[in-house]
Amino acid sequence: NAGVTQTPKFQVLKTGQSMTLQCAQDMNHNSMYWYRQDPGMGLRLIYYSASEGTTDKGEVPNGYNVSRLNKREFSLRLESAAPSQTSVYFCASKGLAGDTQYFGPGTRLTVL
Amino acid sequence: AQTVTQSQPEMSVQEAETVTLSCTYDTSESNYYLFWYKQPPSRQMILVIRQEAYKQQNATENRFSVNFQKAAKSFSLKISDSQLGDTAMYFCAFMKQNNNDMRFGAGTRLTVKP
Repeated sequence: NAGVTQTPKFQVLKTGQSMTLQCAQDMNHNSMYWYRQDPGMGLRLIYYSASEGTTDKGEVPNGYNVSRLNKREFSLRLESAAPSQTSVYFCASKGLAGDTQYFGPGTRLTVL
Repeated sequence: AQTVTQSQPEMSVQEAETVTLSCTYDTSESNYYLFWYKQPPSRQMILVIRQEAYKQQNATENRFSVNFQKAAKSFSLKISDSQLGDTAMYFCAFMKQNNNDMRFGAGTRLTVKP
């Protein structure tokens, strides 16, 4: 059981470039989440997917898009990266009956 | 909107001693969950302990326990017999029941000194 995995671990982009962060979970969880973590702040929810085929905005969705490809995978896309999107991005998942979210190892993204 | 406040940006404790991290939250909900997550230098977010608001009994996990005061909207974490491996950022988090929006505090950086 790998739990929640994220790729890549590190990424450097130039302003205006696009990229997709990948997340996968092998725990058969229904819900998946994308957070960002900035210095001096806790994690903030970008988007979530309560079940396969559904996605909803969180607290800070602007500048991002998501795709729930199947039950296992939930990707986060930056169409035109901006320096304000420099952050550490975490993916998480949660089971149907549970209340606890399990996190991936994070992706450190720098936008120059 | 729910807010979570951790008023101690940094704390330190001697190895083997006890330390308490504070957390307060603001909500009008009656059913919710509270969590403490640990983030060591590896950056991995690790669940330390969780509490259901409808339970009056404070949660305990080995050396970790909470003091949950629902009326005061307070949820502190006590770490007993502190170990060097407890050095990490600790985040308090709140989530309404049947909801997907988890709100985090800004974190407390805990250093355990030998």
